[in-house]
Amino acid sequence: QQQVKQSPQSLIVQKGGISIINCAYENTAFDYFPWYQQFPGKGPALLIAIRPDVSEKKEGRFTISFNKSAKQFSLHIMDSQPGDSATYFCAASTGANNLFFGTGTRLTVIP
Amino acid sequence: DARVTQTPRHKVTEMGQEVTMRCQPILGHNTVFWYRQTMMQGLELLAYFRNRAPLDDSGMPKDRFSAEMPDATLATLKIQPSEPRDSAVYFCASGLSREAFFGQGTRLTVV
Repeated sequence: QQQVKQSPQSLIVQKGGISIINCAYENTAFDYFPWYQQFPGKGPALLIAIRPDVSEKKEGRFTISFNKSAKQFSLHIMDSQPGDSATYFCAASTGANNLFFGTGTRLTVIP
Repeated sequence: DARVTQTPRHKVTEMGQEVTMRCQPILGHNTVFWYRQTMMQGLELLAYFRNRAPLDDSGMPKDRFSAEMPDATLATLKIQPSEPRDSAVYFCASGLSREAFFGQGTRLTVV
């Protein structure tokens, strides 16, 4: 059973546009929600993370929006660039530290 | 530049052979994870350790997989005997608080 559901599976965005990736979870014990970025042939790299006591966190062009009541969170990439083309994974964990990953979104930014 | 180091990067082996993958976590990190990534299943947690003690290995096929941490600088994942369905990229990650930092992975092909 997938603990974290992620959509869409793939996304194509024009350069300069906004990329939006969504995730949903059921386990209310989750208290840490990171996003990872993975380029081909590389391991996932931590991009940005949020805890449920805030509704939004922004780092540069990357923003996480968090809706605790809906048990949903999303990644917004503003002014998307071709260099952002990668696979993005949302994840969630409890205090036990084991990360449960979504199935990934392959983002392609067209020049 | 601290990073998780995995060896080998690529491994091709015949079915039935033993495979050992090694991981050097980031110095000072007390948690080590093993993940497996496939197109079909995405990122699956196989096992993780805290302070070298195994906390959860429920994701591993126990009859053929084993994970150990002989010391704080080395984690190993062993498959014996290997099967074609074990073909995947195996990632090691380490962390101290909530973040997990991934290595570049070992791409295993069992023929």
